[in-house]
Amino acid sequence: QSALTQPASVSGSPGQSITISCTGNGSDVGGYNYVSWYQQYPGKAPKLMIYDVTKRPSGVSNRFSGSRSGNTASLTISGLQAEDEADYYCCSYAGGSSLWVFGGGTPLTVL
Amino acid sequence: EVQLEESGGGLIQRGGSLRLSCSASGFTVSNNYMSWVRQAPGKGLEWVSSIYSASSTYYADSVKGRFTISRDNSKNTLYLQMNSLRAEDTAFYFCARTRGVTHDYWGQGTLVTVSS
Repeated sequence: QSALTQPASVSGSPGQSITISCTGNGSDVGGYNYVSWYQQYPGKAPKLMIYDVTKRPSGVSNRFSGSRSGNTASLTISGLQAEDEADYYCCSYAGGSSLWVFGGGTPLTVL
Repeated sequence: EVQLEESGGGLIQRGGSLRLSCSASGFTVSNNYMSWVRQAPGKGLEWVSSIYSASSTYYADSVKGRFTISRDNSKNTLYLQMNSLRAEDTAFYFCARTRGVTHDYWGQGTLVTVSS
């Protein structure tokens, strides 16, 4: 069982917006401004999409955005494209015996 | 361009040992936190270990006392020595550069399979 809780799956049609949630607690998501999101295609390395809750690395489309409310972080993808179909993982710095905790991953299907 | 390439994975019997390597290019490992993250087949990601210096190493409880992270600055390479391997250690092992508290670049991973 993963430390952070993500939905089992999410889907949307091209052009639509979707949001993936990531729920933790006050010792991880709610306790630090260090939530990141990763995109992973099958058999490939994870790619950083969002870091420090809301920041986007250079080269990542501005269709990807991050936010947080309390102990729940969210990744929003606007203007869905077929290439967005992948697995998405959230990660939070936790600072305890397990420095980083991850969500179980959410597969995104573009219909 | 930042690149990371893992090697050393394979099939190993329960209780055995394996050493993973992660060769870095485009940056210097000695100036960065480096981490190992694993992913059991079809499962989610799990942080395993991180290193900043020889005296600053960190481990998940699940591997503490069995795994050792290290690096060779002259070879710009990160290592993970894995001893007393268990079936639950079966996973793809990714190395990652860790900037601040963000794992910003990852390698393609190497598969470790522990047979019982």
